[in-house]
Amino acid sequence: DAGITQSPRHKVTETGTPVTLRCHQTENHRYMYWYRQDPGHGLRLIHYSYGVKDTDKGEVSDGYSVSRSKTEDFLLTLESATSSQTSVYFCATGTGLRSGANVLTFGAGSRLTVL
Amino acid sequence: GENVEQHPSTLSVQEGDSAVIKCTYSDSASNYFPWYKQELGKRPQLIIDIRSNVGEKKDQRIAVTLNKTAKHFSLHITETQPEDSAVYFCAAREDTGNQFYFGTGTSLTVIP
Repeated sequence: DAGITQSPRHKVTETGTPVTLRCHQTENHRYMYWYRQDPGHGLRLIHYSYGVKDTDKGEVSDGYSVSRSKTEDFLLTLESATSSQTSVYFCATGTGLRSGANVLTFGAGSRLTVL
Repeated sequence: GENVEQHPSTLSVQEGDSAVIKCTYSDSASNYFPWYKQELGKRPQLIIDIRSNVGEKKDQRIAVTLNKTAKHFSLHITETQPEDSAVYFCAAREDTGNQFYFGTGTSLTVIP
């Protein structure tokens, strides 16, 4: 979907280095999410945001931080990358309408390898 | 938080047969249940969804059923085709935080 852009799409880094993944949306959606996808675990929520500077933890937030200074950008930071954080990371957006069509739309994913 | 379980993890069917994937959820407050299809190397994409005030929804060859009492919902694909081969994820959304929780996925293979 052209409305969500993730960067970088691929990254190889070394243990202990900081890494930042960026998600940029042009849909003006209120909600943004970061998921990681691992074999046998499906999609697990890391952090999500419900507005500018409003974020909350998901089920696997340890070792990750996020920031949202603008509606369109949601950054995921690995403060000190570990091999267990090797994964495919998906950003998603949602309109946030509880009773309406809060469809979750995904970006193309960012593949991170930590050596 | 919500816990979504999905079965089976792998499923192989002959072309033209039906496929059924089942999910259970734990939080009775969840009120929205989407299904996503992910082709190899691609992003998950929504294929059908159902809300807690509806028991069944159909869209051509795919249908979803919801049993709120038992807290389970299922995806039904009829007349399967090779292009239906993919990983399918169910999800549940909690009403309070607008968080989406996913099942672990079902890898469906349709054998021509």
